[in-house]
Amino acid sequence: GQNIDQPTEMTATEGAIVQINCTYQTSGFNGLFWYQQHAGEAPTFLSYNVLDGLEEKGRFSSFLSRSKGYSYLLLKELQMKDSASYLCAGLDSNYQLIWGAGTKLIIKP
Amino acid sequence: GAVVSQHPSWVICKSGTSVKIECRSLDFQATTMFWYRQFPKQSLMLMATSNEGSKATYEQGVEKDKFLINHASLTLSTLTVTSAHPEDSSFYICSARVRQPYEQYFGPGTRLTVT
Repeated sequence: GQNIDQPTEMTATEGAIVQINCTYQTSGFNGLFWYQQHAGEAPTFLSYNVLDGLEEKGRFSSFLSRSKGYSYLLLKELQMKDSASYLCAGLDSNYQLIWGAGTKLIIKP
Repeated sequence: GAVVSQHPSWVICKSGTSVKIECRSLDFQATTMFWYRQFPKQSLMLMATSNEGSKATYEQGVEKDKFLINHASLTLSTLTVTSAHPEDSSFYICSARVRQPYEQYFGPGTRLTVT
């Protein structure tokens, strides 16, 4: 079956760095997405990886290893506004998104 | 960037009534739209995939007669919750998919409360 695994919750300190891991098993693979979702709001797109390696976008970076079925989202210089849930989603062979349950990130001062 | 709107943003209705939620892609054409439901502190749950001009594809366990989906144009999809019950109270979110890399853009969501 298809499955996305990510930690349920993580805590980090303002100004620090945090890495949110995601492992995936999909029927075929057409890429991996990361979305941010603040409480009570809809998800917003953060990143997309389809090739191995690191994609950097400002304070956020996303990494993919297709051979390991593994991705991570790296957040640097954490700010209080980064407190949110981070959703990992794999795009399967039918171009359907398979969603993880999300990682709630708590930022402490 | 691609913008998706949803209307209404919140609605309260009485048990047994029907509620229609609209999802529009404002600056692009979306051949495929998705409807999700999210209960508090839970993950997104895909309800159905809506393709313009054809019947929606519902996920297992989602009643197609209760959750009516119409994708009449390339910019509009509607979800109608028929004979709503309190257990249908949830956050309903639509998204529209663009071609390559098949990214989904989300509407702001509709919070439905059935009393």
